[in-house]
Amino acid sequence: GNSVTQMEGPVTLSEEAFLTINCTYTATGYPSLFWYVQYPGEGLQLLLKATKADDKGSNKGFEATYRKETTSFHLEKGSVQVSDSAVYFCATGPGSARQLTFGSGTQLTVLP
Amino acid sequence: NAGVTQTPKFQVLKTGQSMTLQCAQDMNHNSMYWYRQDPGMGLRLIYYSASEGTTDKGEVPNGYNVSRLNKREFSLRLESAAPSQTSVYFCASSEGAGPQRGYTFGSGTRLTVV
Repeated sequence: GNSVTQMEGPVTLSEEAFLTINCTYTATGYPSLFWYVQYPGEGLQLLLKATKADDKGSNKGFEATYRKETTSFHLEKGSVQVSDSAVYFCATGPGSARQLTFGSGTQLTVLP
Repeated sequence: NAGVTQTPKFQVLKTGQSMTLQCAQDMNHNSMYWYRQDPGMGLRLIYYSASEGTTDKGEVPNGYNVSRLNKREFSLRLESAAPSQTSVYFCASSEGAGPQRGYTFGSGTRLTVV
């Protein structure tokens, strides 16, 4: 089946620092890739997605590129803000599966 | 706002009690899902329903049952709650017969079994 390996957290950065959260995946078929964000006490929200190799997803200053050759979908942001503090989940699917598979999540804390 | 609504938001149960978690979506989505979220384990799929009238087991179905009541509603039932079922439960929905475009999540139900 599909699987996702995420960079372990927690990650603590100062405001305006550069962010990278690593994500690699294994999947069958032609999966899409997703990043979700979860703020404290809330459900997960779709942050960005990419549906085929070399696609770049972007939203709110965050970017990730679908790299089939390295099976990766690393999340990046050039200058983080305190409001970006949250848990970030990488996900893949469905491909030949019928649901999304999630990584374990990475807790990000941004200090002022 | 349109989206996925889960009730209740919080619940405490005693071991052996039963309860049903409710989920409803108003986006006319075909597929619905139940996940549980545990620290360090990400989200694990319990059950899903690709369309009205169908349900399938996910990764961790033991101890749970589901009902796809109609296109809008997908409920999760714990017949005899156990402490191992203490978790945060999320319902999600997606367009079509699968999540090619991703999920829309509800805000979760925080369940504690004592």
